[in-house]
Amino acid sequence: GENVEQHPSTLSVQEGDSAVIKCTYSDSASNYFPWYKQELGKRPQLIIDIRSNVGEKKDQRIAVTLNKTAKHFSLHITETQPEDSAVYFCAASEGGGADGLTFGKGTHLIIQP
Amino acid sequence: NAGVTQTPKFQVLKTGQSMTLQCAQDMNHEYMSWYRQDPGMGLRLIHYSVGAGITDQGEVPNGYNVSRSTTEDFPLRLLSAAPSQTSVYFCASSGGQGSYEQYFGPGTRLTVT
Repeated sequence: GENVEQHPSTLSVQEGDSAVIKCTYSDSASNYFPWYKQELGKRPQLIIDIRSNVGEKKDQRIAVTLNKTAKHFSLHITETQPEDSAVYFCAASEGGGADGLTFGKGTHLIIQP
Repeated sequence: NAGVTQTPKFQVLKTGQSMTLQCAQDMNHEYMSWYRQDPGMGLRLIHYSVGAGITDQGEVPNGYNVSRSTTEDFPLRLLSAAPSQTSVYFCASSGGQGSYEQYFGPGTRLTVT
């Protein structure tokens, strides 16, 4: 089955700086790669996703890049703000999410004022 | 739309008891899935369904049963609760038809003593 590795487990950055979180996946058939943000005690919320036919996607301060050859994808957050502090999860799916998602173990992002 | 709803929000069980976690969605989504979230482990897929009458196992199915008799409902049954099943359980649904985004319910926090 699919295996998703996520690094780092904790990331501390100064407010206004950029943050990068990286994930690798094992199943070359995976075709859907979402990123979720989860605040303490809340449900995961989708912040951005990318499909395997696209190399990069951007939404305001958030971007995701995908390298299918190397089987890794990354989340980039620019101009970080205090409200960006949360746990971020990457995930992968072979069936566009129909067969569920395989998640990484999460990155605790801390924005220092 | 209420989106994805889960009941109960909190539950305490004794070892060996059985119970059903309820999940319902009102978005006419084809795909539904159950995850458990443990500290430091991310979310792990328990079971998923691609339509009424169709279910399949995920990464950690042991000790759990599911059924999907209607499009709207996807209950998760614990047959004989064990302390190792103490966790937060999330249900999710996605629409298919080119839409991959998974919508999560608010979660059920289960403690087995």
